[in-house]
Amino acid sequence: DIQLTQSPSFLSASVGDRVTITCRASQYISSYLAWYQQKPGKAPKVLIYGASTLQSGVPSRFSGSGSGTEFTLTISNLQPEDFATYYCQQLNSHLMCSFGQGTKLEIK
Amino acid sequence: QVQLVESGGGVVQPGRSLRVSCAVSGFTFSNYAMHWVRQAPGKGLEWVAVISYDGSKEYYPDSVKGRFTISRDNSKDTLYLQMNSLRPEDTAVYYCARDIVIGPGMGGDYFDYWGQGTLVTVSS
Repeated sequence: DIQLTQSPSFLSASVGDRVTITCRASQYISSYLAWYQQKPGKAPKVLIYGASTLQSGVPSRFSGSGSGTEFTLTISNLQPEDFATYYCQQLNSHLMCSFGQGTKLEIK
Repeated sequence: QVQLVESGGGVVQPGRSLRVSCAVSGFTFSNYAMHWVRQAPGKGLEWVAVISYDGSKEYYPDSVKGRFTISRDNSKDTLYLQMNSLRPEDTAVYYCARDIVIGPGMGGDYFDYWGQGTLVTVSS
């Protein structure tokens, strides 16, 4: 099974800041990684897929990079609505899926 | 528009069974693999099951394998999760999600639409 480890687990930042969240995979997963944002009481929302492709409708201040085993999600010019929990996710060729443990982004 | 609506959650005693459903609309259900993902109170996301577009393949993580069964009825545009031998640690909000394929057979699928979730509480 492929394990995904996110860091940090908690992040405190201010409006206008730039933040980066890292996701490390226990095995090579090429560019097969997605990022989700989840707000309390809501279902997750996909931001990025294929490691770096922005989902339609997602603001361009969100960006993703990486391949192999190390990936990053960067949020530039943080907006009040960006304070949420972020998850990385991978799904292999056998349709087996796993999520990172999450990173909670809080207002400083 | 695309909609996924879960139902069937509730309180159930340990060791008992429960079936939750996900009714979809706004897209051709039979063209998509579908997943169940759960989230225990205050915890992260945990993948629970996947079923191929035609129901011929199913996969589960070890945490639910042998206890949970995913199925679908493409004539009714509905996805199911049968949960047997329930344990307190199965308490969670259960979401259904639609699978989007990047490269067939290559991996990299992601979930573009999710339901609102249904809460399953396992308690005596």
